[in-house]
Amino acid sequence: GAVVSQHPSRVICKSGTSVKIECRSLDFQATTMFWYRQFPKQSLMLMATSNEGSKATYEQGVEKDKFLINHASLTLSTLTVTSAHPEDSSFYICSARTGLGHSPLHFGNGTRLTVT
Amino acid sequence: AQTVTQSQPEMSVQEAETVTLSCTYDTSESNYYLFWYKQPPSRQMILVIRQEAYKQQNATENRFSVNFQKAAKSFSLKISDSQLGDTAMYFCAFFSTGNQFYFGTGTSLTVIP
Repeated sequence: GAVVSQHPSRVICKSGTSVKIECRSLDFQATTMFWYRQFPKQSLMLMATSNEGSKATYEQGVEKDKFLINHASLTLSTLTVTSAHPEDSSFYICSARTGLGHSPLHFGNGTRLTVT
Repeated sequence: AQTVTQSQPEMSVQEAETVTLSCTYDTSESNYYLFWYKQPPSRQMILVIRQEAYKQQNATENRFSVNFQKAAKSFSLKISDSQLGDTAMYFCAFFSTGNQFYFGTGTSLTVIP
């Protein structure tokens, strides 16, 4: 149980275009979803926290107008990288939890974004 | 803010041997949860083991066990009978009532055949 599906796994886009990444909880309702960015051989950097039906909370230094997060339902959150630039190239990982006190984070497989 | 420290960037262990990965954290809270996650080359984050702070008994999951020292704010992971498939990045994580997970910087573990 507790499967999180993230799509696409890899995407290449041209500079200036927008890319949408989907994160779905397949067998549970995710009250909270988190979006992380990971640079090679580094830890996960939290970008934003989203709760279903409300605006996402962004971490300091993360541009909310560039990284649009939508959490319209208890099973789907999306991250849209708008007007992508090469420096946005990275590995993006979503995660979800049910909201129970001790429930762990369940992670998607991640998305490798390359902006050319 | 909570901080999680993993002081060993890289470690190696011979296959079938035992290795311990260290993790310390800083918090003023009394009730929280600790986790170890594994990230193999596939980059999928996999939950290895979890520990509730109010439980004194150390968690175990097959070959994986923790040494939880609440007073010292230490949460080390012991891997027994290391296998080649254990080669991965290991992240220690802290979670409390703030609804945020804090991750350590990771330890890259290599199991040598």
